[in-house]
Amino acid sequence: DTAVSQTPKYLVTQMGNDKSIKCEQNLGHDTMYWYKQDSKKFLKIMFSYNNKELIINETVPNRFSPKSPDKAHLNLHINSLELGDSAVYFCASSQEIPTATNEKLFFGSGTQLSVL
Amino acid sequence: TQLLEQSPQFLSIQEGENLTVYCNSSSVFSSLQWYRQEPGEGPVLLVTVVTGGEVKKLKRLTFQFGDARKDSSLHITAAQPGDTGLYLCAGIAGGFKTIFGAGTRLFVKA
Repeated sequence: DTAVSQTPKYLVTQMGNDKSIKCEQNLGHDTMYWYKQDSKKFLKIMFSYNNKELIINETVPNRFSPKSPDKAHLNLHINSLELGDSAVYFCASSQEIPTATNEKLFFGSGTQLSVL
Repeated sequence: TQLLEQSPQFLSIQEGENLTVYCNSSSVFSSLQWYRQEPGEGPVLLVTVVTGGEVKKLKRLTFQFGDARKDSSLHITAAQPGDTGLYLCAGIAGGFKTIFGAGTRLFVKA
């Protein structure tokens, strides 16, 4: 059983389209995240939800809208896709909110988004 | 803004060689983590170091946290092709978010 699963694995689409990426975790974790990894492999946090509540919202264009129907799911909807949105998007989860100690992140295998 | 800088960015070595990769910051972190990412997969946690000066070993991998808790290193002894991957250091920044360095891409040739 995959702990953090996201779909689709690959997404190729035209500029201006709207697309969604889905994520589910079966670890019973309270916190879920979306990270974006660019072509240089830099991994940057976008959003974080804790028990369905948004707790981190980085400076991400409002074309990106996360939705958490329950604490096991965190989906990412992207409107009006642009060329610069091409990247790998990773969903992750952790037991709790990272504090000053340590919190282990479990990542999905990523969604490679290509905007043409 | 807390940043993590990793060096080198790329490393290509022969099987059996030793190597060290570094993670540095101007900020103090309460802990640092090392993840490894293989192509087509998400990062997987290798270790967390919490105490300044701490050394942790994971088989051929040795992790060290600097005394001032601003830096960490990962040393691999007798590297093998299976060690190939992207090594990422991570720390918890203000606002309860885990931030990552840009990574070191390691390629071990057989």
